Amino acid sequence: KQEVTQIPAALSVPEGENLVLNCSFTDSAIYNLQWFRQDPGKGLTSLLLIQSSQREQTSGRLNASLDKSSGRSTLYIAASQPGDSATYLCALGSSNTGKLIFGQGTTLQVKP
Amino acid sequence: GAVVSQHPSWVICKSGTSVKIECRSLDFQATTMFWYRQFPKQSLMLMATSNEGSKATYEQGVEKDKFLINHASLTLSTLTVTSAHPEDSSFYICSARGPSADTQYFGPGTRLTVL
Repeated sequence: KQEVTQIPAALSVPEGENLVLNCSFTDSAIYNLQWFRQDPGKGLTSLLLIQSSQREQTSGRLNASLDKSSGRSTLYIAASQPGDSATYLCALGSSNTGKLIFGQGTTLQVKP
Repeated sequence: GAVVSQHPSWVICKSGTSVKIECRSLDFQATTMFWYRQFPKQSLMLMATSNEGSKATYEQGVEKDKFLINHASLTLSTLTVTSAHPEDSSFYICSARGPSADTQYFGPGTRLTVL
């Protein structure tokens, strides 16, 4: 059974810092991996989608990497801003059915 | 971009009543929608997969007779929590599979509180 773990559970950094969020999974047979952002009491916003055959994806200040052999993905946020404060979730798709298995999330606070 | 709406955004009901939550894809057709539940400070747990025109597929441990799902059109799926109890209080989020099969668009969620 696939298990997804995100460390740390919470992170507080000063504005301007570069930071890395971690996601690990137990079964390397994945279809894709996605990173989402969730603001308090809100739904999810997709940030980056990495297909199984890809190693990384970039969007603006965000870069996500995928290493299936080690069962890890990282989300790198450059030059963090207070507006980046949110919970970041990684989710694994195990097949093309669209089903996603979510990690517990990392709650990020960027202090001005 | 693709937008998914949910209605209501929040609902408070008495124990024993039934509550219906709607999930709509506003500008695209979705043959597949998903329903998730999120308890406080926990992650999203998939409850069921809703396919237009056919029965929903429920995840292990989710009671299909308690959580009724109907996907009657390509833009609407409904989740009915029957005989709700306080332990059903949660944040319910739907997602719709977009034109690109790998893309899902999430609704804003519905906060259910059962007294």
